[in-house]
Amino acid sequence: AQSVTQPDIHITVSEGASLELRCNYSYGATPYLFWYVQSPGQGLQLLLKYFSGDTLVQGIKGFEAEFKRSQSSFNLRKPSVHWSDAAEYFCAVGDGSNYQLIWGAGTKLIIKP
Amino acid sequence: DVKVTQSSRYLVKRTGEKVFLECVQDMDHENMFWYRQDPGLGLRLIYFSYDVKMKEKGDIPEGYSVSREKKERFSLILESASTNQTSMYLCASTSGQVYNEQFFGPGTRLTVL
Repeated sequence: AQSVTQPDIHITVSEGASLELRCNYSYGATPYLFWYVQSPGQGLQLLLKYFSGDTLVQGIKGFEAEFKRSQSSFNLRKPSVHWSDAAEYFCAVGDGSNYQLIWGAGTKLIIKP
Repeated sequence: DVKVTQSSRYLVKRTGEKVFLECVQDMDHENMFWYRQDPGLGLRLIYFSYDVKMKEKGDIPEGYSVSREKKERFSLILESASTNQTSMYLCASTSGQVYNEQFFGPGTRLTVL
């Protein structure tokens, strides 16, 4: 069965520092991979997605993610975080056969001033 | 501006009450979803619908039912609310390909006393 693991429940980063949020998935074939962000009191918003092609994907708000098949990972990165990036981040995977996604438990990002 | 709206942001109900959560999207999307979000568990799919009057069970349908009489509206029904259904409920919609973005509503925080 497919699964998604986000090993970090919370991450604290200083404003201006770089960020990497980890996501590992379990799936046999090439998955469809997504990162969503949930700001406080808001619904989820798509940051970026991967389904084929270039393994380095650019998203909104200066985020990027890299698909590494050998490591079954799709880590999210940002070179310099802003206080407005404080939110919860979710990784999700689909197999392309239907619209259902398997979601990670989420990583809460805390920004230190 | 695309929009998914949910009927209530906060709801407090008593055990045994029948609860209706409504979701409306204005994007003419075929597919709509109801998720439950709990800390540490990510998003879990309750039901989804890929067309009017069509519904499919997700991972945790027990204790819930849904209704989709019109394309833009997808309702989640708790026939007899229980305290273990206290949670955040998120509605989403999407159209077209399976790797398309899911658009989320702001969520309804339901407390069952």
